[in-house]
Amino acid sequence: GESVGLHLPTLSVQEGDNSIINCAYSNSASDYFIWYKQESGKGPQFIIDIRSNMDKRQGQRVTVLLNKTVKHLSLQIAATQPGDSAVYFCAENYNTDKLIFGTGTRLQVFP
Amino acid sequence: KAGVTQTPRYLIKTRGQQVTLSCSPISGHRSVSWYQQTPGQGLQFLFEYFSETQRNKGNFPGRFSGRQFSNSRSEMNVSTLELGDSALYLCASSRTGSAYNEQFFGPGTRLTVL
Repeated sequence: GESVGLHLPTLSVQEGDNSIINCAYSNSASDYFIWYKQESGKGPQFIIDIRSNMDKRQGQRVTVLLNKTVKHLSLQIAATQPGDSAVYFCAENYNTDKLIFGTGTRLQVFP
Repeated sequence: KAGVTQTPRYLIKTRGQQVTLSCSPISGHRSVSWYQQTPGQGLQFLFEYFSETQRNKGNFPGRFSGRQFSNSRSEMNVSTLELGDSALYLCASSRTGSAYNEQFFGPGTRLTVL
């Protein structure tokens, strides 16, 4: 498959545990944030988004938390499964219609 | 509904050559954005086209160009290839091109420059 990144930070979790992936964004004026998942050989896939007027948003097994004070975004995955193994990116937008992506975190799920 | 398709999936070129990559968006999507993905720089925005017009452009040299056709299909061209252009090139389509609209990514074209 495609090599997304050779030197990405890696989070290793056991199947069934919860995962927390963190992201520091760059612009305090950013008003929209997205988490993407990229599996080997595929393009990024939308997971969940959040606007800056919210602190938390929940999806199916995923929760995004936004802390604007410290410009921090996190993605929580409940009951992590082998299929969650991928590289996860956060992206921010500050009114330019151009998404700015973070460097990504590799999530490895082991049995 | 078919997803975003990109051709070719893999490409090998030599320095100094030029290359053209193609992207077919999801039916009904009028915006196509292009990104370059490398291990060192991550995902970087190249440009975005909407209704055949370039609306946004990233910080890439003029060797990188693109266009969009009336059927919303898009091509990007890289001239005078350099080793550092080796990357995964991704395109993404959305209905309006707004960053507040979900973008759907294709599988990418892996370009290797020798």
